[in-house]
Amino acid sequence: EIVLTQSPAILSLSPGERATLSCRASQSVSSYLAWYQQKPGRAPRLLIHDTSNRATGIPVRFSGSGSGTDFTLTISSLEPEDFAVYYCQQHSSWPRTFGQGTKLEIK
Amino acid sequence: EVQLVESGGGLVQPGRSLRLSCAASGFTFDDHAMHWVRQAPGKGLEWVSGISWNSGKIDYTDSVKGRFTISRDNAKKSLYLQMDSLKTEDTALYYCAKDPLPGLFGNWFDPWGQGTLVIVSS
Repeated sequence: EIVLTQSPAILSLSPGERATLSCRASQSVSSYLAWYQQKPGRAPRLLIHDTSNRATGIPVRFSGSGSGTDFTLTISSLEPEDFAVYYCQQHSSWPRTFGQGTKLEIK
Repeated sequence: EVQLVESGGGLVQPGRSLRLSCAASGFTFDDHAMHWVRQAPGKGLEWVSGISWNSGKIDYTDSVKGRFTISRDNAKKSLYLQMDSLKTEDTALYYCAKDPLPGLFGNWFDPWGQGTLVIVSS
């Protein structure tokens, strides 16, 4: 099973700042990595698939990069609605696995 | 608009059974694989099981193998999860999620339903 480790666990930033979230895989997942946003009491929402492809309707301030074992989700300038928990997920091998999440909180 | 609506959750004693359902609309259901993903209270996400468009491919996470059975009825546009021999550690919000690419199995998940809560407790 591929283990995804996200860092940091908690990221405290202010609106307008740049956020950089990391996801590291225990073995290569090639480019088969997705990112989700989850707000309290809501279902996860797909942001990015295949490392860098934004899902429909996702603002351009969200971008993804990386390959192999190291991946990054970047939010270029934080909006108030971006404060949430973010998860990465690999779809390279079975079982599909998620990272433990990064909570992005308002500083 | 794609909609996924889960139902069937509730409070159940350890060792008992429960059947979850997910009603789909807004897309060609029998073109897409479907999945169940769960989230224990205050915890992260865990993929539970997936089924291909024609039920030809099915997979489970190890912790539920032999206890849970995924199935689908394409005529009814519905996905199911039969959960037997439930354990306290199965307590979670269970989400139904669509595999986005027609005919393929096990990519990312988009979209998700709102979930149905399963509580296993004596």
